[in-house]
Amino acid sequence: AQSVAQPEDQVNVAEGNPLTVKCTYSVSGNPYLFWYVQYPNRGLQFLLKYITGDNLVKGSYGFEAEFNKSQTSFHLKKPSALVSDSALYFCAVREISANSGGYQKVTFGIGTKLQVIP
Amino acid sequence: DTAVSQTPKYLVTQMGNDKSIKCEQNLGHDTMYWYKQDSKKFLKIMFSYNNKELIINETVPNRFSPKSPDKAHLNLHINSLELGDSAVYFCASSQDLRGNSPLHFGNGTRLTVT
Repeated sequence: AQSVAQPEDQVNVAEGNPLTVKCTYSVSGNPYLFWYVQYPNRGLQFLLKYITGDNLVKGSYGFEAEFNKSQTSFHLKKPSALVSDSALYFCAVREISANSGGYQKVTFGIGTKLQVIP
Repeated sequence: DTAVSQTPKYLVTQMGNDKSIKCEQNLGHDTMYWYKQDSKKFLKIMFSYNNKELIINETVPNRFSPKSPDKAHLNLHINSLELGDSAVYFCASSQDLRGNSPLHFGNGTRLTVT
């Protein structure tokens, strides 16, 4: 089965510093990878995706992610963190569901809480 | 206009009761989902519908019954509620079934079973 792992429960970074939220994946074919952000008491919001093409993907709110096939990673990055970036971040992967006749579903990692310190 | 809206936002009820959560999307998407987020923020898919047809049923107890009257609506009915059903339930939609279509989420329904 395809899956993603987010090795850090929480990441703390000072405002203005670069941030990285880590994600590694395990797939049997070519991966479709996503990052979502969840603010308190809200639903998840799509940030960016990697389907094919350039390994560096740019998304919303100044975030970007780098796809690294050799390391099976898709880390989320931002050059300069803002206090307002503090939220829960989810990495996700497309997966073929065994219970859906081959249709695809998106499976989420366990989430990483990002805390940006003023 | 809210793209994916679900009601109610909060639902507090007693064990054994039956309750429903409604979801509507105005994005013109073909596919809708229900996800459950537990107290540790783990997010797990429950159901997926495409053009009113059930596509994914992730071994959810049959006390949970989704209904899609049209492709813009996906409601969730829960019978005989149990303490373990307490969670936040998210409705979501995507343009189609292809896995590269981003998901658009509602703001969740926090269900508390006492």
